[in-house]
Amino acid sequence: AQSVTQPDIHITVSEGASLELRCNYSYGATPYLFWYVQSPGQGLQLLLKYFSGDTLVQGIKGFEAEFKRSQSSFNLRKPSVHWSDAAEYFCAVGPNQAGTALIFGKGTTLSVSS
Amino acid sequence: EAGVAQSPRYKIIEKRQSVAFWCNPISGHATLYWYQQILGQGPKLLIQFQNNGVVDDSQLPKDRFSAERLKGVDSTLKIQPAKLEDSAVYLCASSLGNRGADTQYFGPGTRLTVL
Repeated sequence: AQSVTQPDIHITVSEGASLELRCNYSYGATPYLFWYVQSPGQGLQLLLKYFSGDTLVQGIKGFEAEFKRSQSSFNLRKPSVHWSDAAEYFCAVGPNQAGTALIFGKGTTLSVSS
Repeated sequence: EAGVAQSPRYKIIEKRQSVAFWCNPISGHATLYWYQQILGQGPKLLIQFQNNGVVDDSQLPKDRFSAERLKGVDSTLKIQPAKLEDSAVYLCASSLGNRGADTQYFGPGTRLTVL
């Protein structure tokens, strides 16, 4: 079955510290992988996506993610977190079996302390 | 470029009432999705349209939910009658094509509270 697991429900990081958000997936073939961010009252915004090529993907706002096929992981990283990064982060895999919809994890809430 | 528009932003209804949500995708986007996001969970697909045809509605509770996309542009999602467990944020997304790698752009969502 296709699924996404985000093991950390909530993470607190100090401003300026590095960040890594974990994502593991279960998928029958080579997946397309996505990270979205959701701020309160806002829709989901795409940070980055992977579908082929270089396994290290650069995204917006200084984020990057690395696809590791052997570990079925697609972890999100940022070298130095800003207070404005506080939000909820969703990892997603696609397409689903019937169409091209995404399958999302439950999300990780990031808090940034000063 | 205008994003995905949704209305209303918030809706409070009593159980067994009906409610409708509207979505206007990004101009030229052929594919439209409705997702349901229950508090504490990630979005889950309800229905996918390609132009005005349904691609996937396998997770749509068809006894109470319905959706249409007339003329392949705007879409409406309806719940009738609503249940307490329908309280959620309903997100509309659109993409240019229907390839798995196509970016899906999300609207701000409609937050539904069923009392």
